[in-house]
Amino acid sequence: NAGVTQTPKFQVLKTGQSMTLQCAQDMNHEYMSWYRQDPGMGLRLIHYSVGAGITDQGEVPNGYNVSRSTTEDFPLRLLSAAPSQTSVYFCASSDRGRNTEAFFGQGTRLTVV
Amino acid sequence: EDKVVQSPLSLVVHEGDTVTLNCSYEVTNFRSLLWYKQEKKAPTFLFMLTSSGIEKKSGRLSSILDKKELFSILNITATQTGDSAVYLCAVALYSGAGSYQLTFGKGTKLSVIP
Repeated sequence: NAGVTQTPKFQVLKTGQSMTLQCAQDMNHEYMSWYRQDPGMGLRLIHYSVGAGITDQGEVPNGYNVSRSTTEDFPLRLLSAAPSQTSVYFCASSDRGRNTEAFFGQGTRLTVV
Repeated sequence: EDKVVQSPLSLVVHEGDTVTLNCSYEVTNFRSLLWYKQEKKAPTFLFMLTSSGIEKKSGRLSSILDKKELFSILNITATQTGDSAVYLCAVALYSGAGSYQLTFGKGTKLSVIP
């Protein structure tokens, strides 16, 4: 049972580079979301999706894009990385219809220099 | 603006102590309140509460919700060093079209010393 799988675990980018953080879940969950976690700030919602083809913005969406072409995958794209995007990123999924318990991936630690 | 406030932000106790962590919220469209434990990596789910006054228990951990006063507490009895972690409170809010968002507090960092 893989649950929620994020890749990569660590990444260093130069300012202005682009990259995609991958997230996949094998629980057939409709709801997927991306959070960033900064020291002293808790978890903040970046984007979320309630099903394939449907995405919406969270609290801190600027500088990030998402798409949801399948139920399983929900990649997060950084278009032009900035030092302010240095953070730990978590992907989560949940069964939207039943309850709101979210299962989290192990996180991606991103450093932008 | 929806707010979830946890207190204290950090806490140091000795093994065997009992601790109470607090979570208050001011939100619209409340659906449920969740507690998570975060050690070095991903948050792991502890409890989900939707109704006032019903205590959820799991071993030495318990939690209760007061929807009138808009707060929840997480109790840990007979603490152990393995309880050292950041405890996160989150509120699930309805956000239209049957979907919801989780809004997290900043967490309480609990350190249990032998």
